[in-house]
Formats: sequence, C-alpha cells, structure tokens
Amino acid sequence: QVHLVESGGGVVQPGKSLRLSCAASGFTFSASVMHWVRQAPGKGLAWVAVTSYDGTNEFYADSVRGRFTIARDNSKNTLYLQMNSLRVEDTAVYYCAKDLSSGWPPLGTFDSWGQGTLVTVSS
Amino acid sequence: EIVLTQSPGTLSLSPGERATLSCRASQSFSNNYLAWYQQKPGRAPRLLIYGASNRATGIPDRFSGSASGTDFTLTIRRLEPEDFAVYYCQQCGPSPQFTFGPGTKVD
Repeated sequence: QVHLVESGGGVVQPGKSLRLSCAASGFTFSASVMHWVRQAPGKGLAWVAVTSYDGTNEFYADSVRGRFTIARDNSKNTLYLQMNSLRVEDTAVYYCAKDLSSGWPPLGTFDSWGQGTLVTVSS
Repeated sequence: EIVLTQSPGTLSLSPGERATLSCRASQSFSNNYLAWYQQKPGRAPRLLIYGASNRATGIPDRFSGSASGTDFTLTIRRLEPEDFAVYYCQQCGPSPQFTFGPGTKVD
C-alpha cells in the first residue's frame, strides 16, 4: 500500500531556510504527481505546491511562490520542499500527498497522505 | 480564485443519524473537480469523495456526494462512531490553485 513519510520539520527563525523530505513507497513514485499541503495549528488545509511525475513542471500557491521550491528525486523515491525566507505565518504541519491522477496539468485530488511534519517559525 | 463556503460550521448529531454537509462555491466549475476529505484529530486527511460523487477506494457506501450547480453535498447515511470528525470540501483542477473550504465539524 501507499506509504508516505515526511521528515525535516523543526523550529526555525524567521528569514531562515528549511528543507522537508517525503519518502515514498508502495507505489510507482516516478509515475506520480506529488503535492505539498499544509495546515496551520488549529486551522484548515492549504495547498502549497505540486510537481509533475518527472519534476519538469511545477505550480505554487501565491503565498509561497518565489520562496519555496518543490523538487523530487525519482531514483530515491523522495519528494522535497525547500523553504526559504520563512515567515511566522508558514508555521504549520506539512503533508506530502499523492495525486489521484498522473496526468498534467494536475487534477489536484489527494488520494494518499503522509502523517505530516511540523514546521514552527519563531524567533 | 474560487472560494468555498461550508455549512454548518458544526453539526451536532448522534450515532445512527443522517448527516448532511454543504459546500458552496463562489463560481461554477466542473463537477469533476470537487473532492471531500475527512480528518480526525492528530491525523492526516483521508479522501472520501472525488469528482463530486465518486467514492474513493475503501470508503463505505454510507458516504455519498452530490452536486447541483455551485452547491455540493456530502451525506453520511447513518453515522457510525468513527465518523465524528472534520470534513473539508476542495476544489481541484483544472486551475492549479487548489482551494479548500473551512471545514465542518461533526460532533
């Protein structure tokens, strides 16, 4: 079955950087569109970014465009989120999620989720 | 950007009762692009419904989704104890700005 495990979260100061990872197994990662979705403490869900199966295409939410970069290494079955210029409002649990469809442009329906990793941006 | 409004904010029901959750979009879009998720405290969301009315793999048939114009409905036919959770609707493609509603808590 699909298994997604995020890591790399922690406490970081505003303006600093952090890289999240998501290790995938149980499905053909290299053929799958992958997303990052976040959830601020006690709040709702917010989509962050998506990458195509081969990493050549990506889209970002307006709130993170220019600061965050989504990437993948299909040889390692791993998805990444490089987060730069972090802000207090980026504090959230970050989930990686698999798209129901492998096509592009992405369908944006998330059929499998990891357990999430908490990022806290605080001075 | 499409804005999704969910109502009610909280739905207080008992096991065995029927739950009807509403999601209204600020503008119309294809029914193919509406999903519902269930989230329990401390857990990741789980996909319930996609394409407005298609149950995801492994989802019991007491969950159903429907659509009428810009109004979408998630119905839980008879609540089981494990169904008490927060439910989110989500606008999917084709625009790659995937937005969620604020959620309805069923307690």
